Amino acid sequence: DAKTTQPPSMDCAEGRAANLPCNHSTISGNEYVYWYRQIHSQGPQYIIHGLKNNETNEMASLIITEDRKSSTLILPHATLRDTAVYYCIVRGGNDYKLSFGAGTTVTVRA
Amino acid sequence: SAVISQKPSRDICQRGTSLTIQCQVDSQVTMMFWYRQQPGQSLTLIATANQGSEATYESGFVIDKFPISRPNLTFSTLTVSNMSPEDSSIYLCSVDPSGIYNEQFFGPGTRLTVL
Repeated sequence: DAKTTQPPSMDCAEGRAANLPCNHSTISGNEYVYWYRQIHSQGPQYIIHGLKNNETNEMASLIITEDRKSSTLILPHATLRDTAVYYCIVRGGNDYKLSFGAGTTVTVRA
Repeated sequence: SAVISQKPSRDICQRGTSLTIQCQVDSQVTMMFWYRQQPGQSLTLIATANQGSEATYESGFVIDKFPISRPNLTFSTLTVSNMSPEDSSIYLCSVDPSGIYNEQFFGPGTRLTVL
């Protein structure tokens, strides 16, 4: 029973912003939204997480809708090195487990 | 943060044999996790390994097949026992150094091929 729904793939142009959507319509009040990515032949890498407010760090921005049923990860200036599988994960505040779905394969093209 | 290394990085094994994968962390961490990533698939949690206690296995994974050791706060091993070709996967360990369920750090993985 997947908690999140993501498009299987998307392309974006190098230097442009990449907007990655995620639906989590059954999210509960104490669950956070996490984003990880996995570059080919590497272990997953944490990107960002949030509860209900928008978050920004050096890698990306996370925009969560007011009803918290969906979110968007924004890579502001995509580079070729951002080509990876991006995973949107919903996790409870007291839950240490990460449940990975199929993710979105993002290909950044020159 | 945490830097994780795994040994071996890859191996090719014969069916019926066992392989032990090592995970070393550069700092002391309470919680360590082992994942499996089958070819073309996403990651699946195998078990959680806390120092000083028995590992906690997820549904579909059993101790006889995937015994885990956690002798101290910087090291863990996962053994894949009596291997079959279906065990061909990437095995990854991860840690949660903060202990407050924020960022998990992952090792580079061990790519296992069983013939």
